[in-house]
Amino acid sequence: GAVVSQHPSWVICKSGTSVKIECRSLDFQATTMFWYRQFPKQSLMLMATSNEGSKATYEQGVEKDKFLINHASLTLSTLTVTSAHPEDSSFYICSGRTIQETQYFGPGTRLLVL
Amino acid sequence: KQEVTQIPAALSVPEGENLVLNCSFTDSAIYNLQWFRQDPGKGLTSLLLIQSSQREQTSGRLNASLDKSSGRSTLYIAASQPGDSATYLCAVITGANSKLTFGKGITLSVRP
Repeated sequence: GAVVSQHPSWVICKSGTSVKIECRSLDFQATTMFWYRQFPKQSLMLMATSNEGSKATYEQGVEKDKFLINHASLTLSTLTVTSAHPEDSSFYICSGRTIQETQYFGPGTRLLVL
Repeated sequence: KQEVTQIPAALSVPEGENLVLNCSFTDSAIYNLQWFRQDPGKGLTSLLLIQSSQREQTSGRLNASLDKSSGRSTLYIAASQPGDSATYLCAVITGANSKLTFGKGITLSVRP
């Protein structure tokens, strides 16, 4: 199956700093990538839909100025958590969508904001 | 708004048992339904995808069924093994934009 990678796999940062998470589709081109957030014991919640070459579409309640998404190429999307606070601590997962409309998920990035 | 429910939240069974995991969704106008496996602290692994026109899909010891009209899907695991211990997530795509709506998952523990 198609492979999606994320970097870093985990990050610890101080409150107020910004963190960038990369999502790469390694063996397919993903015109659309999705960013999810998962809190402990909870389901994955879609944060935004990222389309290559255009602005991301954010779900209701997700601050676009806080969670900056860039999808500069068909294989790379980045999520930047700006001015991170402890409540932003979560597990962030991306997925890339193939031409066949199947989504493949990355391994996730665990963010801990102190 | 589509809602996906998975009950119970956790399940513990002895090794070798056949088991069924349930998933229900409120809006029957789905494009497809997917079952995923998530190991602790890890990403998602797709297990089975059922198109809206299909009734079931099989892969090895796994069989997933779909009843769109009643808004239900089941994941059948035959001859369970300790290695099957994980959280199983059900997700549906309702709109043309391929947005997945996830259930909270069922955490399965298979006892040796």
